[in-house]
Amino acid sequence: GENVEQHPSTLSVQEGDSAVIKCTYSDSASNYFPWYKQELGKGPQLIIDIRSNVGEKKDQRIAVTLNKTAKHFSLHITETQPEDSAVYFCAASSGGSNDYKLSFGAGTTVTVRA
Amino acid sequence: DGGITQSPKYLFRKEGQNVTLSCEQNLNHDAMYWYRQDPGQGLRLIYYSQIVNDFQKGDIAEGYSVSREKKESFPLTVTSAQKNPTAFYLCASSPIGTTGTDTQYFGPGTRLTVL
Repeated sequence: GENVEQHPSTLSVQEGDSAVIKCTYSDSASNYFPWYKQELGKGPQLIIDIRSNVGEKKDQRIAVTLNKTAKHFSLHITETQPEDSAVYFCAASSGGSNDYKLSFGAGTTVTVRA
Repeated sequence: DGGITQSPKYLFRKEGQNVTLSCEQNLNHDAMYWYRQDPGQGLRLIYYSQIVNDFQKGDIAEGYSVSREKKESFPLTVTSAQKNPTAFYLCASSPIGTTGTDTQYFGPGTRLTVL
């Protein structure tokens, strides 16, 4: 099955700086890569996603890049703000057009220092 | 208001008791999922269902059971056979697109504590 590794496990940044989280996946057939933000005691919320036919996607301060050859994808948050503090999860589809499962990374706890 | 609801938010149970967690969605999504989250860890898939009256085991199905009698509902029962049931349980749903996996939307979660 799919195996997703996420780094770093914790990340502390100064307000206004950028944050980068990286994930690698094992199944070359995976074609969908979402990123979720989870605040304490709440369910994860989708913040951005990318499909395998695209190399980069941007939404305001958030961007995701995908390198299919190397099987890794990254989340970039620019101009970080205190409200960006949360746990972020990457995920990858398990592969196959009839498979609707996601495999998740272990998460990155991001702390934005004021 | 469209979305996914889970109840209760907090649940306490004594060892040896079965307990059922509720998950309802009004998004008209075909697929529904149950995940378990332990402190400092990612989400692990327990069960999932792509259509009414059908469901599949995920990576950690032992000690759990589900049913899918209605499209909107996917309850999870944590049985006494689950050796370490204390965790945060998350329900999700997604449409099934023509390209396969589509975005999963999560409910607010139920925190289960076994006393």
